[in-house]
Amino acid sequence: DSGVTQTPKHLITATGQRVTLRCSPRSGDLSVYWYQQSLDQGLQFLIQYYNGEERAKGNILERFSAQQFPDLHSELNLSSLELGDSALYFCASSPRLESDTQYFGPGTRLTVL
Amino acid sequence: KNQVEQSPQSLIILEGKNCTLQCNYTVSPFSNLRWYKQDTGRGPVSLTIMTFSENTKSNGRYTATLDADTKQSSLHITASQLSDSASYICVVSASYGNEKLTFGTGTRFTIIP
Repeated sequence: DSGVTQTPKHLITATGQRVTLRCSPRSGDLSVYWYQQSLDQGLQFLIQYYNGEERAKGNILERFSAQQFPDLHSELNLSSLELGDSALYFCASSPRLESDTQYFGPGTRLTVL
Repeated sequence: KNQVEQSPQSLIILEGKNCTLQCNYTVSPFSNLRWYKQDTGRGPVSLTIMTFSENTKSNGRYTATLDADTKQSSLHITASQLSDSASYICVVSASYGNEKLTFGTGTRFTIIP
């Protein structure tokens, strides 16, 4: 158990809908990262937050957004969902801004029908 | 363009045998290189993290090497066990002030009894 929690574990929804994925980092970790992993694909970095502020952006679509709250938990919002958004979404946390081991959560499996 | 290439894409070996996975990268400015183990459907787990000055690091039966001159890394697994069956992902970090991670697509490793 990495200490990172993600909810929900599974999510099934329809095209065009909007969903919110939630992540609670390890106690004391200030950085939160979001990743997308499609079937048999590598991890794609989406976005990083550090202590409530956005610090780095990867291949995140404009339909997706995220935020990190004062209690350091983070939410990833996915809107106007398409079939191709079906994937595993992982959250990871680390203590500092960079050069740290990232601890990954168990992931949220999103299925868009 | 920053890239991380891993080989082989997949590997099947008998339990008890040793094996070596390869990672070549073109990432600069180089900050660190990480190896992760990912069981199917679960979040990656960190095995090792190496900076420029380190050329070998061990974690139990896993030994990672780094040649920063040739931009190559290897992960050696000794006396493989059935529980080693997983994907092994090489991740290279560049630092531009904000850290940027480039992920390899992984080597899918299967141990057969």
